[in-house]
Amino acid sequence: DVKVTQSSRYLVKRTGEKVFLECVQDMDHENMFWYRQDPGLGLRLIYFSYDVKMKEKGDIPEGYSVSREKKERFSLILESASTNQTSMYLCASSLGRLPQETQYFGPGTRLLVL
Amino acid sequence: AQKVTQAQTEISVVEKEDVTLDCVYETRDTTYYLFWYKQPPSGELVFLIRRNSFDEQNEISGRYSWNFQKSTSSFNFTITASQVVDSAVYFCALSEHTGGFKTIFGAGTRLFVKA
Repeated sequence: DVKVTQSSRYLVKRTGEKVFLECVQDMDHENMFWYRQDPGLGLRLIYFSYDVKMKEKGDIPEGYSVSREKKERFSLILESASTNQTSMYLCASSLGRLPQETQYFGPGTRLLVL
Repeated sequence: AQKVTQAQTEISVVEKEDVTLDCVYETRDTTYYLFWYKQPPSGELVFLIRRNSFDEQNEISGRYSWNFQKSTSSFNFTITASQVVDSAVYFCALSEHTGGFKTIFGAGTRLFVKA
């Protein structure tokens, strides 16, 4: 079974702090994704990566950056956290570079920025 | 542009009732893929089904069934004889053949099944 793990289930940070969210997948998947989930808005893509050191902006990349130094690990960075970044963050991975690939999700990190 | 609409924000049913979750999509591609995912209270989205645009056959898996109709751009999901364990948020999603890796998710429908 594919397993996607996220470093924290809950995080509380202060405005202006630098925040790192880590995601690890154990099935040698090519693609990894970061989404944020907000009520009434569903999942919105922040960034994705289709290979080590490669990244592409999603629909809402402002205020975020990512890092993929190893195939299994994809990090989301909030350079200076703001209250409007309070949200649920979901990491996902998929096997190949085809649109029909199923995505496998982690349990999510619920981030509160005070 | 691609778009997925789940008009039902929340649905509440009593156990053993049937319930249908609606999904309407927009796309200009002729080749595309539709998905349903379930998000239980634990938070992790779980894949339920995928259909491609050339396969309009309805699918049944146990108490779950899916009705794909290209004529109305809909991909509806029915749970028969609902159970409390079906309580979750359900997401419909769309990937286009020309869209690369991007999948567009609907806003989700929260289903409450009461005992």
